[in-house]
Amino acid sequence: AQSVTQLGSHVSVSEGALVLLRCNYSSSVPPYLFWYVQYPNQGLQLLLKYTSAATLVKGINGFEAEFKKSETSFHLTKPTAHMSDAAEYFCAVSENNFNKFYFGSGTKLNVKP
Amino acid sequence: GAVVSQHPSWVICKSGTSVKIECRSLDFQATTMFWYRQFPKQSLMLMATSNEGSKATYEQGVEKDKFLINHASLTLSTLTVTSAHPEDSSFYICSASGQGLAYTFGSGTRLTVV
Repeated sequence: AQSVTQLGSHVSVSEGALVLLRCNYSSSVPPYLFWYVQYPNQGLQLLLKYTSAATLVKGINGFEAEFKKSETSFHLTKPTAHMSDAAEYFCAVSENNFNKFYFGSGTKLNVKP
Repeated sequence: GAVVSQHPSWVICKSGTSVKIECRSLDFQATTMFWYRQFPKQSLMLMATSNEGSKATYEQGVEKDKFLINHASLTLSTLTVTSAHPEDSSFYICSASGQGLAYTFGSGTRLTVV
């Protein structure tokens, strides 16, 4: 069985500050892990994915995430927040690239001027 | 590559009518398509998985007679919400995989039943 837990439904940071969004997963098989961003009334845009290669994954828009098997975590970070980063972020786990996804509950990121 | 188009982006319908949502893979052949539902301020929940030419597999608790899924071609899957009611109002999103491509989502459809 697979599941995802995102700690913090709302995260607020100041513009220019570090962004850290937490994701912990549970999987009975080696997981494929994903981070998506969703802007209001829009679909999902893939930020980055971990598919059993390098544990530090770099994505679009300056985001990156590190897969830590010992901690069953896949936290999303960005060194410097921009106003345009304000959106909702979803962590997801899958058995492979082609299977169904299990999503976390989402974290809404607010960026303050 | 890996573009998934979803149509319509929003729709309002009267209670008791049916609504069809289309999900198309524009530049690849999607052997598998997934339909998700997102309630306001909640996460996405998988409704069903459809493989081209086969009957869809529905997740527990999803009424297959209410949410009809057709995946008749490698580039098109449709979700029909039959006899829609206000509680069916939601955001529906599809994703597609095939030909080594995956994890691409459509732009979603906002359904409002009045």
